[in-house]
Amino acid sequence: DQQVKQNSPSLSVQEGRISILNCDYTNSMFDYFLWYKKYPAEGPTFLISISSIKDKNEDGRFTVFLNKSAKHLSLHIVPSQPGDSAVYFCAASSMGNTPLVFGKGTRLSVIA
Amino acid sequence: DADVTQTPRNRITKTGKRIMLECSQTKGHDRMYWYRQDPGLGLRLIYYSFDVKDINKGEISDGYSVSRQAQAKFSLSLESAIPNQTALYFCATSPQGGYAGELFFGEGSRLTVL
Repeated sequence: DQQVKQNSPSLSVQEGRISILNCDYTNSMFDYFLWYKKYPAEGPTFLISISSIKDKNEDGRFTVFLNKSAKHLSLHIVPSQPGDSAVYFCAASSMGNTPLVFGKGTRLSVIA
Repeated sequence: DADVTQTPRNRITKTGKRIMLECSQTKGHDRMYWYRQDPGLGLRLIYYSFDVKDINKGEISDGYSVSRQAQAKFSLSLESAIPNQTALYFCATSPQGGYAGELFFGEGSRLTVL
């Protein structure tokens, strides 16, 4: 049973527009959420995180929103740039010695 | 130099062969992980280690074993490789702390089992 779900395998957006990547989770013990970005032939790299005491965290063009009641988070990229084209993984964890659980990823293509 | 180094980066082997993937890190982190990436399946945890004396199974440990030789080294072995172990393998590290939070990944080892 998947605890972290990214239901959109791919997303295509025009340069300059907003990209919205979604993630749902089922485990109510999760209280820390992260997004990773992965380019081909490279390892994933950390992008942004949010703890459950917040509902929004912003870092430049990237904003993560958390809706705890819906067990849903989203990553907004504004404005989208061609260099943002990558696979984005949502991940979740809980306090203590539990490793991150990843979603299946969403491939974002930003078209110039 | 990369903080998390995986060797080999690419390996083609035959069914039944023993394969070892090695990971070393210079970040000084206590925690190390092995993940596997398959198309459409995301990143799945194989094994993890929170310190030198600690080894834990992840979601998909069957067919794999690990060895934590030192704080900086964590190797993954396939005792008898099979074709469905063809995948991209990632080693990762994280610092000690309240959350097994931000992970630092190596560049990956692509394994093909014929």
